[in-house]
This record gives sequence, C-alpha cells and structure tokens, in this order.
Amino acid sequence: AQSVTQLGSHVSVSEGALVLLRCNYSSSVPPYLFWYVQYPNQGLQLLLKYTSAATLVKGINGFEAEFKKSETSFHLTKPSAHMSDAAEYFCAVTPAGTALIFGKGTTLSVSS
Amino acid sequence: ETGVTQSPTHLIKTRGQQVTLRCSSQSGHNTVSWYQQALGQGPQFIFQYYREEENGRGNFPPRFSGLQFPNYSSELNVNALELDDSALYLCASSLEPAPQETQYFGPGTRLLVL
Repeated sequence: AQSVTQLGSHVSVSEGALVLLRCNYSSSVPPYLFWYVQYPNQGLQLLLKYTSAATLVKGINGFEAEFKKSETSFHLTKPSAHMSDAAEYFCAVTPAGTALIFGKGTTLSVSS
Repeated sequence: ETGVTQSPTHLIKTRGQQVTLRCSSQSGHNTVSWYQQALGQGPQFIFQYYREEENGRGNFPPRFSGLQFPNYSSELNVNALELDDSALYLCASSLEPAPQETQYFGPGTRLLVL
C-alpha cells in the first residue's frame, strides 16, 4: 500500500535558519508528491508539487523540495526561516488514484 | 475567483444524530473530495465525486455518504454519529479527477460529537 512517512512530528528552528522537513514515500508506481501547509484553524494550502517534470521543485514563500527516487524522499527546505512559517506541514502522495494520502504532519516552530 | 467554501464552520451534535456538511467548489472545478482530519493527524480520504458520481472511496463506513449537485457543489452526510466522528472535515476541489491535479482546500467544518 502507498504511504507517506514524515520524520519528526515537531521541528524547531531559529529565525533565519535553514528549514528541513523530511518526507519519505512508499509507492509501487511513480508517484505524484505534494507539500501542503496548514495554519491554525484553517484549511490546507498547496506549497508545491512534483509531477515527474523537474526533480527540484520550487514553491511559494521560498520553499522548495527535491524528488529523489533512489531514496524515495521528497524533503522540503527553505534557506531562511521566517516567523510566519510557523505552521503544520503535510506531505502527501497520489500514487495512481485520485485520493491524497497524507503523512501525519510536522509542526514547525520558529523562534526569534 | 472564489475559492472553496464550506458551511457551517463549526457544529456540535450528540451521538446518534445525523449531520450534513456543505461545500462549494472553486469556479470551473468539477471534482470534489472530502477528507476527515482528526486532532493531531493528517487528513484521511473519505470519498470523491466527479460530475455527480462517486469516483473513489476511502476506508469509511456506509454511514458516511455524499452527493454532488449539477453546479458541482457537494454535501457530506454522516448518520448515527459516533464520538470518534469528532474532527475537522475538509472539502477540496480540483479541475478534474487526475492524480497530478492540485486539490484546493476549503477552511473546513469542525464537528464535535458529544
């Protein structure tokens, strides 16, 4: 069965530091991969997606992710964290069907 | 362009009751998916509707049912509510039911079952 594992339920960084949120997927077919962000009491907003074009995907708000098939990973990074980046981040996969399969999420805290 | 909207925003029900949640899709989108997000968890897929027909279903019992209307808005109905049904219910719309299509989410309906 297809699944997504997000390593680290909580990540804390200082403002200006590198953000790295980890996501590994399990899929028997080439997947489509997504990162969504959820702010408190809100729905999910798409940050970026991988659809088998470029392996390095750039998204909104300075985030990017790299698809590594050999490592079955799609980690999310941002060079310099901002206070406004504090939120819940979800990695998701749609291996072949139309349902998004989400990881359990990673809470990002940013301190000044 | 109006995004995905959901109503109501909050709802309190008692065990055994029935509830209907509503979703208006983004303009031009013919596909609506529903997800349940329990506290501290990632969203879980309930089902998807495409052009008024169910187009896939997750591991949820039959007391979770849905509808899609000709204008592509949608309803989620839950019968015989249980305490574990307390969650944030998210609706998402997309241009078509393809796996690479972005699903755009509404703000959700928070349901509390007492």
